[in-house]
Amino acid sequence: AQSVSQHNHHVILSEAASLELGCNYSYGGTVNLFWYVQYPGQHLQLLLKYFSGDPLVKGIKGFEAEFIKSKFSFNLRKPSVQWSDTAEYFCAARNAGKSTFGDGTTLTVKP
Amino acid sequence: DTAVSQTPKYLVTQMGNDKSIKCEQNLGHDTMYWYKQDSKKFLKIMFSYNNKELIINETVPNRFSPKSPDKAHLNLHINSLELGDSAVYFCASSPRSENGELFFGEGSRLTVL
Repeated sequence: AQSVSQHNHHVILSEAASLELGCNYSYGGTVNLFWYVQYPGQHLQLLLKYFSGDPLVKGIKGFEAEFIKSKFSFNLRKPSVQWSDTAEYFCAARNAGKSTFGDGTTLTVKP
Repeated sequence: DTAVSQTPKYLVTQMGNDKSIKCEQNLGHDTMYWYKQDSKKFLKIMFSYNNKELIINETVPNRFSPKSPDKAHLNLHINSLELGDSAVYFCASSPRSENGELFFGEGSRLTVL
């Protein structure tokens, strides 16, 4: 069965710090990978996605993620976080029409 | 224009009642979903419909019954509500059932007292 694990449940950073959120998936076949963000009180929105090609994908608001097939990983990064990045971040893997989400990482950015 | 809209946004009800949440998408997508997000923010898929046909039905109690009158609508009816049903229910849609990102509605927060 497909599963997604996110290593950090709660991350607290100061503004301008660099961010890396870990995500690993377990599925041997082809999967599409996503990072979604959920700002407080809002719905989930797509940050970025990987289907194929360049393993380094860039998303909105300065976020990027790197797909490393050998490690089954799709970590999210941002060189300098802002207070407005405070949110819940979800990694997801999609195969055969079904998206499986990680348990989420709560990011708190202190001003 | 809201792409995926859900109503109601908030629902407070007593145990044992029956309630419905409606979802509509104007994106022209073929596939729609219901997800449940619990108090710990865990997101679990409940159902998926492709062009009105049920394609994913996770282990969900029979008290939950989805209905898709057409491909733009996916409603969720819950019978005999229990305390554990309290959660935020998200409707989502995607352009194809096999891959593609999900477009989420704003969620319906259900509180069962």
